[in-house]
Amino acid sequence: AQSVTQLDSHVSVSEGTPVLLRCNYSSSYSPSLFWYVQHPNKGLQLLLKYTSAATLVKGINGFEAEFKKSETSFHLTKPSAHMSDAAEYFCVVPTGFQKLVFGTGTRLLVSP
Amino acid sequence: DVKVTQSSRYLVKRTGEKVFLECVQDMDHENMFWYRQDPGLGLRLIYFSYDVKMKEKGDIPEGYSVSREKKERFSLILESASTNQTSMYLCASSNSKTDSNQPQHFGDGTRLSIL
Repeated sequence: AQSVTQLDSHVSVSEGTPVLLRCNYSSSYSPSLFWYVQHPNKGLQLLLKYTSAATLVKGINGFEAEFKKSETSFHLTKPSAHMSDAAEYFCVVPTGFQKLVFGTGTRLLVSP
Repeated sequence: DVKVTQSSRYLVKRTGEKVFLECVQDMDHENMFWYRQDPGLGLRLIYFSYDVKMKEKGDIPEGYSVSREKKERFSLILESASTNQTSMYLCASSNSKTDSNQPQHFGDGTRLSIL
């Protein structure tokens, strides 16, 4: 069965410093993977998706993620955090038949 | 842009009531989903639908039912609400039956409290 593990429930950074949100996946084959973001009192918005075309994927708002098969990882990064990046981030793997399996989420806190 | 609209942002109901949560999408998507979101548990799939009048159980269907009479509308029903159904409920839609790489588009959620 496919699954994802988000290694940190909370990550705190200062504005202007790099962001790293970690995700490891478990799959018997190279999966597709998504990152979604949820701002307070909002639904989830797709940040980026990996579908085996390129291992480095660029998303919206300056975020990117790198698929590393040898490490079974799909970590989300951003060079410089903004206050508006404060939100919850979900690593997600589709499992076929359009069903998604979500990680438990990482809450990103950005301080001035 | 795809718009998924959930009829209520906040809802307060009493134990034992029958509760309806409504969701409408405006992009003619074939697939629709209901999730609940609880702290530390992420999103869990309750029910989904691939077509009108069609439904499939997700991971936690107990205590819930759904209705899809029209393609654009997917309703979640709590037959007899209980306090452990207090949660954030999220509706989503997606377009393809065959391409699992299609992302889902989410509504803003309904925060339901059962007293």
